Amino acid sequence: AQSVSQHNHHVILSEAASLELGCNYSYGGTVNLFWYVQYPGQHLQLLLKYFSGDPLVKGIKGFEAEFIKSKFSFNLRKPSVQWSDTAEYFCAVSITGGGNKLTFGTGTQLKVEL
Amino acid sequence: DAGVIQSPRHEVTEMGQEVTLRCKPISGHDYLFWYRQTMMRGLELLIYFNNNVPIDDSGMPEDRFSAKMPNASFSTLKIQPSEPRDSAVYFCASSPNQGRGGETQYFGPGTRLLVL
Repeated sequence: AQSVSQHNHHVILSEAASLELGCNYSYGGTVNLFWYVQYPGQHLQLLLKYFSGDPLVKGIKGFEAEFIKSKFSFNLRKPSVQWSDTAEYFCAVSITGGGNKLTFGTGTQLKVEL
Repeated sequence: DAGVIQSPRHEVTEMGQEVTLRCKPISGHDYLFWYRQTMMRGLELLIYFNNNVPIDDSGMPEDRFSAKMPNASFSTLKIQPSEPRDSAVYFCASSPNQGRGGETQYFGPGTRLLVL
């Protein structure tokens, strides 16, 4: 079965700092990769996803992620964070042909300080 | 579209009571998912349906949990009897099936359940 690891559980940054959140998955076949965000008190929303094509994916609010197949990684980046980016970020994977079933990582709590 | 609708948004009940959580997926979506979120275990997939048929219920914790999808626009997750360890936020999500892979799941606002 596939699994997802997010190594940073809590991250604290100052506004304008650069962000990189790590995500690694374990599965030998073709995967689809996602980053979801959960703002305080809200439901999960899609930030970006990769399912084919260019491994560098751009999402909403200036976020991007790069799929590196050889490293089984899909790290999330943002060059300059804002206070409003304070949220919990979840990496997830689905298997192509696996019925859209998502396996989530444990999440990274990001706090951006003014 | 109103998005995925869940009710109730908050539920407080006593141990041993039956709890029913409801979900209305986005119209036209073929897949419906039930998740549970806790601090200890994160986001766990409980069960999912395709075209109203349960496909994988391996995440359902035990026989006290059951889920149904009688039609394309409604699903329920029932806990009977409820226990304090069932306290969590329960999310419903739906997704289309466009045949490309990587379909996005759209989440509802969740039901925050507290079992006393």
